[in-house]
Amino acid sequence: EVQLVESGGGLVQPGESLRLSCAASGFTFRNYWMSWVRQAPGKGLEWVANIKPDGTEKYYVDSVEGRFTISRDNAKNSLYLQMNSLRVEDTAVYYCARYDCTSTSCSFDYWGQGTLVTVS
Amino acid sequence: DIQMTQSPSSLSASVGDRVTITCRASRGIRNDLGWYQQKPGKAPKRLIYAASTLQSGVPSRFSGSGSGTQFTLTISSLQPEDFATYYCLQHNSYPITFGQGTRLEIK
Repeated sequence: EVQLVESGGGLVQPGESLRLSCAASGFTFRNYWMSWVRQAPGKGLEWVANIKPDGTEKYYVDSVEGRFTISRDNAKNSLYLQMNSLRVEDTAVYYCARYDCTSTSCSFDYWGQGTLVTVS
Repeated sequence: DIQMTQSPSSLSASVGDRVTITCRASRGIRNDLGWYQQKPGKAPKRLIYAASTLQSGVPSRFSGSGSGTQFTLTISSLQPEDFATYYCLQHNSYPITFGQGTRLEIK
């Protein structure tokens, strides 16, 4: 059974840093793109970042470029999001998601339960 | 960036109704589109990928269609468990973008 379990959320002040983690199990982690997606309270979903299976390619939404860094440790089956210079508008539930890419399509097929980051 | 315009933003319907939700892309995205269902306090769940492929385990009353810039999600006969918020998502190019969501409520 695929499982994604996020941790590391909490309350921080503007300008501070936080590191989120996602522990993956039930699949061969090193073979998959992975993602972070967030949802501000009462708002819609926003993709944040993607990372290639070997970690050599990373993509970010403009609003976090230069402040957030996505990374992974395939030996530990873990995904990370280092968040620096946090802003009030970064307040959201952050989901770890598997980005499943086949020869014809990609999409987020499994999601974690989310971890809440509050910047205030 | 590709903008995804989803409509309607909210919808009231009854059990047994047929419901259609539309997503329009600001430029062509082939069939690089998925549909997700989210219930309050829960993570999103994939329903449809590649515009029309039903996720394994999802009831056949859900269907997706479209290509290019216009896409639809249809629920053929609403069930009580279908009342939720639905999102479309394009992954044709970065940044990956979601529609703003459609909240489906019980009439």
